[in-house]
Amino acid sequence: DTAVSQTPKYLVTQMGNDKSIKCEQNLGHDTMYWYKQDSKKFLKIMFSYNNKELIINETVPNRFSPKSPDKAHLNLHINSLELGDSAVYFCASSSGTGSGGYTFGSGTRLTVV
Amino acid sequence: AQSVTQPDIHITVSEGASLELRCNYSYGATPYLFWYVQSPGQGLQLLLKYFSGDTLVQGIKGFEAEFKRSQSSFNLRKPSVHWSDAAEYFCALRGGADGLTFGKGTHLIIQP
Repeated sequence: DTAVSQTPKYLVTQMGNDKSIKCEQNLGHDTMYWYKQDSKKFLKIMFSYNNKELIINETVPNRFSPKSPDKAHLNLHINSLELGDSAVYFCASSSGTGSGGYTFGSGTRLTVV
Repeated sequence: AQSVTQPDIHITVSEGASLELRCNYSYGATPYLFWYVQSPGQGLQLLLKYFSGDTLVQGIKGFEAEFKRSQSSFNLRKPSVHWSDAAEYFCALRGGADGLTFGKGTHLIIQP
């Protein structure tokens, strides 16, 4: 059973479209995250959710919105996609303090054309 | 502000040779420190982590790392690399806020 699973693995879409990436974790962790990895492989945190509350919101465009229906899911919705949104998006989860480490999904490669 | 610096963008090592990947951090207190590995097209796998206690931590796949407070460093080592170790390696820290701050990564190339 995959600990943190993301779908889809690949996503190709046109500029201006709206898309969602889904993430689910079965580790019982109480905090989930979205990270963006750019073309130079730099990883930067975008959001985290703890018990359905947003606790970090980095300076990302408001076209990006995380949605968490429950503790095991954190979906990423993106409106009006732009070329610069092309990247790999990783979902991750952790226990309260992160002492057990952060478990990452396998990533979603988003390509905007 | 917290930050992580990995000074080496690329490192080439011969198979069977020893490896050391450098990581320096900037944070006002003792952070939680991590090393992750990313194989091509894959997600990030946790190699090891440091929170407190023994400054030499052992991880998976024969890796170890040493926390040196005086040097603000957390270097990753392996005594003998294998071709399968070729990957991107990321050092990261968790400071006061939740979530991880990553270094820019070191690309490891293994020569036969």
